[in-house]
Amino acid sequence: NSKVIQTPRYLVKGQGQKAKMRCIPEKGHPVVFWYQQNKNNEFKFLINFQNQEVLQQIDMTEKRFSAECPSNSPCSLEIQSSEAGDSALYLCASRRQRDTEVFFGKGTRLTVV
Amino acid sequence: QQKVQQSPESLSVPEGGMASLNCTSSDRNFQYFWWYRQHSGEGPKALMSIFSDGDKKEGRFTAHLNKASLHVSLHIRDSQPSDSALYFCAASPLTFGDGTVLTVKP
Repeated sequence: NSKVIQTPRYLVKGQGQKAKMRCIPEKGHPVVFWYQQNKNNEFKFLINFQNQEVLQQIDMTEKRFSAECPSNSPCSLEIQSSEAGDSALYLCASRRQRDTEVFFGKGTRLTVV
Repeated sequence: QQKVQQSPESLSVPEGGMASLNCTSSDRNFQYFWWYRQHSGEGPKALMSIFSDGDKKEGRFTAHLNKASLHVSLHIRDSQPSDSALYFCAASPLTFGDGTVLTVKP
């Protein structure tokens, strides 16, 4: 079973508010991913880290999201100013350095009202 | 950007039946496919991977890869109600298909 821990499980924010979610990757997994899964179940990759460094991110993430994976602290994903379209399940995942299998947490379900 | 087309969007099979799911990559440079399963309220969990042409069998699950056509399929034999879930294929951690909702009816 995956040991990726995501908090909170549910998050409700008003439009324009900040929304912050956290992820503790599996021990020994230096590569961390964040995804957005919309109500149609479509997956969108947002950003990934190797240790504390950003490897890749999409444009949307650069503009309105901030994310970090500090050493000895949970990783976090924060939406600076929430929009209705940000309502989704946010999934964190991690993997070992050279593995291809990705382990997912249970997600944070964000509702922007 | 690399894309993975997944079909069908939804599938319903009777208990004990065979379920077949498909994915096609738009990028010839893919190295592997992973299949993931996501039950309601949970995160996706890896089912199996396939890197080489041909079949790979794990229990009731068989993956088939054809690199020439960039196509991978997942076949679930003797489907169980507990197999009802959302299934994703992934050609990399950055590229997932849009999923197939499988319903197994008792």
